[in-house]
Amino acid sequence: GAGVSQSPRYKVTKRGQDVTLRCDPISSHATLYWYQQALGQGPEFLTYFNYEAQPDKSGLPSDRFSAERPEGSISTLTIQRTEQRDSAMYRCASSPLVSSTDTQYFGPGTRLTVL
Amino acid sequence: AQSVTQLDSQVPVFEEAPVELRCNYSSSVSVYLFWYVQYPNQGLQLLLKYLSGSTLVESINGFEAEFNKSQTSFHLRKPSVHISDTAEYFCAVSRNGGSQGNLIFGKGTKLSVKP
Repeated sequence: GAGVSQSPRYKVTKRGQDVTLRCDPISSHATLYWYQQALGQGPEFLTYFNYEAQPDKSGLPSDRFSAERPEGSISTLTIQRTEQRDSAMYRCASSPLVSSTDTQYFGPGTRLTVL
Repeated sequence: AQSVTQLDSQVPVFEEAPVELRCNYSSSVSVYLFWYVQYPNQGLQLLLKYLSGSTLVESINGFEAEFNKSQTSFHLRKPSVHISDTAEYFCAVSRNGGSQGNLIFGKGTKLSVKP
């Protein structure tokens, strides 16, 4: 696609519900990143994929968070039993390769509010 | 571990005035340095990056940043700002030679350009 897209753009849910966020990266990009950005903070790394492999989950805050990218393209981030502290902007980015020099292309983000 | 400090959370400035957005980093290994910008209602996009070579890097819209290894800084400057530069600016680092490219961001600086 022309750019990285994310859906939904806004999600309001009640505490205890599960939510799934979607990221559609640039089609030729091997690498996909998920970041969490709390209000007033910079984005913080959650996890990344190299195609369908998920080499690093170290940034996921708890086992309630999981992500997948089964076919190496679209990715989903699922938060189970949401808590108010999960309220944040969730950002997805893609880059051509797994490289610390590559530019990351960000989607518009999903604003999650947990009531 | 790496960390990034952006000393100013908000910088108000008048149109056509110069501006400097400060960024300092801490790392026990060498890093690559980035500035990303977020315009209202848009995703983050790369403004410029320092990988190696000349310590002064420039963007296409008149911003420049200088890598200063001794002061561990990567300040962003523009000699004359426009209303359209109003945005939030994030400084970020990635690990030089690392096996992955996740970025470590500062908290961001909101630049507000007034007429």
